[in-house]
Amino acid sequence: EAGVTQFPSHSVIEKGQTVTLRCDPISGHDNLYWYRRVMGKEIKFLLHFVKESKQDESGMPNNRFLAERTGGTYSTLKVQPAELEDSGVYFCASSRWAGVTYNEQFFGPGTRLTVL
Amino acid sequence: QKEVEQDPGPLSVPEGAIVSLNCTYSNSAFQYFMWYRQYSRKGPELLMYTYSSGNKEDGRFTAQVDKSSKYISLFIRDSQPSDSATYLCAMTSTGTALIFGKGTTLSVSS
Repeated sequence: EAGVTQFPSHSVIEKGQTVTLRCDPISGHDNLYWYRRVMGKEIKFLLHFVKESKQDESGMPNNRFLAERTGGTYSTLKVQPAELEDSGVYFCASSRWAGVTYNEQFFGPGTRLTVL
Repeated sequence: QKEVEQDPGPLSVPEGAIVSLNCTYSNSAFQYFMWYRQYSRKGPELLMYTYSSGNKEDGRFTAQVDKSSKYISLFIRDSQPSDSATYLCAMTSTGTALIFGKGTTLSVSS
């Protein structure tokens, strides 16, 4: 079974540009999460999809970040316009069942974003 | 005060040593507790999961949760060079949004 995949693995952009990160969850997983780790800080939750619906977006830092999950499959996270403080590693995770109190979240390898 | 505190280390031990990693937390609503292992340039991988208080053992790994003290621990027995990684504690009250510690970097020398 393929794991969670993320693309690109690394992105370097100029301040003010737009970047789109993609996540492909494990096939059949209803739940999809985005997390971010800024250098020197802990991994922080951004948002949670159940299928194509946003269940919790309490961790999204501001309206420059837009997440979508088309047809309940892959997800994209767009940052527009990017700022220096957006640099970090963006992780995607997925878990199987919706409506279950806890199930294991499987993480992708992350996308390393550098904003110059 | 941060919700989850974890000493980032680094921690260096010889092969075969017993390793103790721990986290403290402030939110008494947390009821799901996890330890993740992360190798360089990889995503976190679940190592141990515990619901509420108590101990859980899996091979060389033991996880302990003390909700009265708001303290969780991970013990690694007979540590191996392959255990060298960053260990992250994580917890949640909802079962979904995970709250992570900063991670402790462990190096096991042969």
